[in-house]
Parts: sequence; C-alpha cells; structure tokens
Amino acid sequence: GENVEQHPSTLSVQEGDSAVIKCTYSDSASNYFPWYKQELGKRPQLIIDIRSNVGEKKDQRIAVTLNKTAKHFSLHITETQPEDSAVYFCAASIDGNFNKFYFGSGTKLNVKP
Amino acid sequence: EAQVTQNPRYLITVTGKKLTVTCSQNMNHEYMSWYRQDPGLGLRQIYYSMNVEVTDKGDVPEGYKVSRKEKRNFPLILESPSPNQTSLYFCASSPPQGLGGYEQYFGPGTRLTVT
Repeated sequence: GENVEQHPSTLSVQEGDSAVIKCTYSDSASNYFPWYKQELGKRPQLIIDIRSNVGEKKDQRIAVTLNKTAKHFSLHITETQPEDSAVYFCAASIDGNFNKFYFGSGTKLNVKP
Repeated sequence: EAQVTQNPRYLITVTGKKLTVTCSQNMNHEYMSWYRQDPGLGLRQIYYSMNVEVTDKGDVPEGYKVSRKEKRNFPLILESPSPNQTSLYFCASSPPQGLGGYEQYFGPGTRLTVT
C-alpha cells in the first residue's frame, strides 16, 4: 500500500516567518493530496488540497506544491501567526479509491510571538 | 448545522468488555471512515464505507468491526478491547467524489482507554 512520510515532526518559527512542511509518498497512482490542520484538542480540518494535474495551489497565506516525478508535496505558510500553531497532517489518496486515505505522521508547528 | 457526531467522547473500559462507539452525520454523505490517532503515527484508517452495506478494511482493521445499515450512521465495534486499542478515534464523512467531494469532515473524537 501507500506510504506517506512527513518531515519535520516539529517546527518552531518566529511570527512573520515562513514555514515549510514536506511529505513524500510511494505509490505513483496517488493523485489527490490534502492537508489537514488540527488545533490542540480539536478535530482535523482541511486547509488546502491539490490534485495531481496541478503543480501548485495557493489560498491566501497557504500554498501547496506538488512534484509528481519526485513524489513529494509541500505545505508553505507565509507570514506565520500564533494562530497557525497546530499539528499539520498531509495525506495521499488514489482517485476513485473510495476515500481510502494514507496520512503522514504529523508536524507540530509552533509560532512564537 | 452540518456536523459529524460521535458518542461517547470519553470512555474508560476493561480488557475484553465489548463496546460500541457511535458515529452519525447529517450531511447525507456517501462515504464514512474511522481513524485512530496515536502519537507519532498520525491518523490511520481502520475501516471505511462507500455506502449502505458497503464497507472495506483500511490499514489497521484488526480487532475492529463496523456496520453501515443506514446512510447516516457508522458505528465502530470493539468485540474484545485490548490495551493496545487505547487511542483517540475519529469518525469522518465526505460527499461523493466529483460533487465537491474529497474533503473529509471529522467528528469531535472519542478518547478510549482500555485497562
């Protein structure tokens, strides 16, 4: 099956700096890559996603890039704010595979004011 | 309000005592899943369901059962819980692919402790 690896496991940045979280996947058939944010004690929530026919997607301060050849995708957060502090999970799924998802192990982001 | 609910939110039980965690969604979603979340391991899919009476194993199905008799409900059953099933469990639902689908809506989580 698919194997998704996520790095780093923890990331500490100063408010206003950028943060980058990277994920790699093993199955070249994977073609949908969402990112979820989980605040302390809360449920995961989708923040951005990308399909394999797109190389980059942006939503305000958040962007995701995908390199299908290298089988890796990254989350970029610019101008970080304390409310960005959370655990972020990447995931991979094969289109049409009935919502079978493989998640990374998570990155705890701490934004210091 | 569109939501996914789970009950109970917290449960402490003993080894071998059968338990059920309920999950219900009011969004008429086709797909539902169960995940367990453990430190350092992320979210691991236990079972998923594509529609009523259609279920399949995820990555870590051992020790769990599910059923999907109604579209809105997807209970998780632990027939004989063991301490290694101590975890935080999330139910999730999502609409059919192609209808704004893919986004999974998670329930609030159930923290289970098996002693």
